[in-house]
Amino acid sequence: EVQLVESGGGLVQPGESLRLSCAASGFAVDDTFMIWVRQSPRKGLEWVSVLYRGGRRDYADSLKGRIALFRDTSNDTLYLQMNSLRVEDTAVYYCAKARQISFFGVEGLDVWGQGTTVIVSS
Amino acid sequence: EIVMIQSPLSLAVSPGEPASISCRSSQSLLNRNGDNYLDWYLQRPGQSPQLLIYLASTRASGVPDRFNGSGSGTEFSLTIRGVEAEDVGVYYCMQGIQTPALTFGGGTKVAI
Repeated sequence: EVQLVESGGGLVQPGESLRLSCAASGFAVDDTFMIWVRQSPRKGLEWVSVLYRGGRRDYADSLKGRIALFRDTSNDTLYLQMNSLRVEDTAVYYCAKARQISFFGVEGLDVWGQGTTVIVSS
Repeated sequence: EIVMIQSPLSLAVSPGEPASISCRSSQSLLNRNGDNYLDWYLQRPGQSPQLLIYLASTRASGVPDRFNGSGSGTEFSLTIRGVEAEDVGVYYCMQGIQTPALTFGGGTKVAI
């Protein structure tokens, strides 16, 4: 079964760090476009970071310099390292995979994890 | 960044009645290959979003045929032919033409 399972969320204070994990089963994270999306009442759904097939990464401007995306192909897991967390980073973080991606665009995010909650509060 | 605007914000429908949601993008989602890079997702209460429609009008695997997507360019719609109890939740549109900055609409809450 094709599945994504996130973990690593929690309650932290501003300025602290967290590492989120996204474990894939039924497919290889190297074979497709993967994305981290977060959801908060204030900003809705917004993209955080992406991993292209081939290893290139991109980060949303609001988080650039504070986050890093890693992959472990031995166990098909993505890791999102988040540093210098701010109150506005409070959200549910999802990882998802693209159904297909081409030169022209992304054709649907067809598998989503259950999400992991990050709360940044003093 | 492409801005996605959905309407209405919420919708109350009787079982078996049709429902329609609109989505407008600030830039055209029609690529030169002739495809519109617009998806629709349903997020049921307490769950993660699930893909319903991609490329504006193609149903994802396992999606009932009462869900239909249409539109092109900057104007799109999702129609549910006869709403069922399991269709309750928040519907989102998402543009996939501008990667990596995929953007979502604000959501439309459908209630019965």
